[in-house]
Amino acid sequence: AIQLTQSPSSLSASVGDRVTITCRASQGIANALAWYQQKPGKAPKLLIHDASSLESGVPLRFSGSGSGTDFTLTISSLQPEDFAIYYCQQFHTYPVYTFGQGTKLEIK
Amino acid sequence: EVQLVESGGVVVQPGGSLRLSCAASGFTFDSYTMHWVRQTPGKGLEWVSLITWNGDTIYYADSVRGRFTISRDNSKNSLYLHMSSLRTEDTGLYYCAKDLGTSGDHWGQGTLVTVSS
Repeated sequence: AIQLTQSPSSLSASVGDRVTITCRASQGIANALAWYQQKPGKAPKLLIHDASSLESGVPLRFSGSGSGTDFTLTISSLQPEDFAIYYCQQFHTYPVYTFGQGTKLEIK
Repeated sequence: EVQLVESGGVVVQPGGSLRLSCAASGFTFDSYTMHWVRQTPGKGLEWVSLITWNGDTIYYADSVRGRFTISRDNSKNSLYLHMSSLRTEDTGLYYCAKDLGTSGDHWGQGTLVTVSS
């Protein structure tokens, strides 16, 4: 089974910072990767699909890149509402979907 | 506006059974594959099961196969998850979702299942 490993597990940053979160797949998954944001008490919200496509309505400060086994989510200039937990998810092994363990982004 | 509203989560004893429901609105329900995803203290986010638009194709995660049954009633715009032989590790928040991982992805607010004696 494909495993997704996110790094770091937690991250402290300040408003205005540029932040990068990494997701590494244990096997190649082409571009079959999505990124989610989850805030306390809420369901995960899709930010990026197909590794680099911005979901409709998501601010342009979010971007995704990568293919194969290494992927990144970048927030170009952190805003107060961006402090949350971020997850990657792969569906290359459809119908089995796999999630990363999450990266908690906290205010410094 | 797409809405998915889960219900049915309760406290149940190990070995017990439970049926979760998901009421869908705001989209053509019978055109979409639907999913159940859970969030547990032990494993984080875990995909559980999917059912195609007409119910002809169904898949389960290894951890629930043989114990959980997914179904849908397109006439009622509803998705279901029948859970049996429940274990403590099944405790968590259960979400229904459409277009999982792709454009148009949408999740409900979740319903909490607690398996405890």
